[in-house]
Amino acid sequence: NAGVTQTPKFQVLKTGQSMTLQCAQDMNHNSMYWYRQDPGMGLRLIYYSASEGTTDKGEVPNGYNVSRLNKREFSLRLESAAPSQTSVYFCASSGSSGFSYEQYFGPGTRLTVT
Amino acid sequence: RKEVEQDPGPFNVPEGATVAFNCTYSNSASQSFFWYRQDCRKEPKLLMSVYSSGNEDGRFTAQLNRASQYISLLIRDSKLSDSATYLCVVTPGVRANNLFFGTGTRLTVIP
Repeated sequence: NAGVTQTPKFQVLKTGQSMTLQCAQDMNHNSMYWYRQDPGMGLRLIYYSASEGTTDKGEVPNGYNVSRLNKREFSLRLESAAPSQTSVYFCASSGSSGFSYEQYFGPGTRLTVT
Repeated sequence: RKEVEQDPGPFNVPEGATVAFNCTYSNSASQSFFWYRQDCRKEPKLLMSVYSSGNEDGRFTAQLNRASQYISLLIRDSKLSDSATYLCVVTPGVRANNLFFGTGTRLTVIP
């Protein structure tokens, strides 16, 4: 039981390049989330998916797109990376479609945009 | 005003000490409250949920004060392994579309 896995662990992009961050969970959770964590800002929700087939914007969705490929997988795409998107990205999942249950986090992707 | 505010610390305490952190939240309608723990360069992990009646888990006690809009975490008999950043987490409601994290309070337990 791997929990929540993310790939890649590290990535360096040039401004304007695109990439997709992958996330998968094997806990049969309905809900999945993407956060970014910046120094002094705390974790901020980018997008979430309450259940397979649905996605919704969080606090900071601009510059990102997401795909809930199936119940297990939730990807985050940067179409045209900008230096302001340099951050640590965490994927999480939870067993409820609400927010009142424990969220399990992946190990994170450290992204640098130059 | 931020949704959730925490004293960033750092708190440096000797082993065996008792330490307490507070966290204030701005939305009086907030429904659910948690403390997460995050080790350096690792992902956050749930430490404990915070219930209206308060709750205790071993050396850890969490309290909620709705009137003053703050939650607290008390750690008794600190261990070296307690060194981490503690994140306060607040949700506006059961099915709200946002989950607010504090910036975290850093704790270092010194031998």
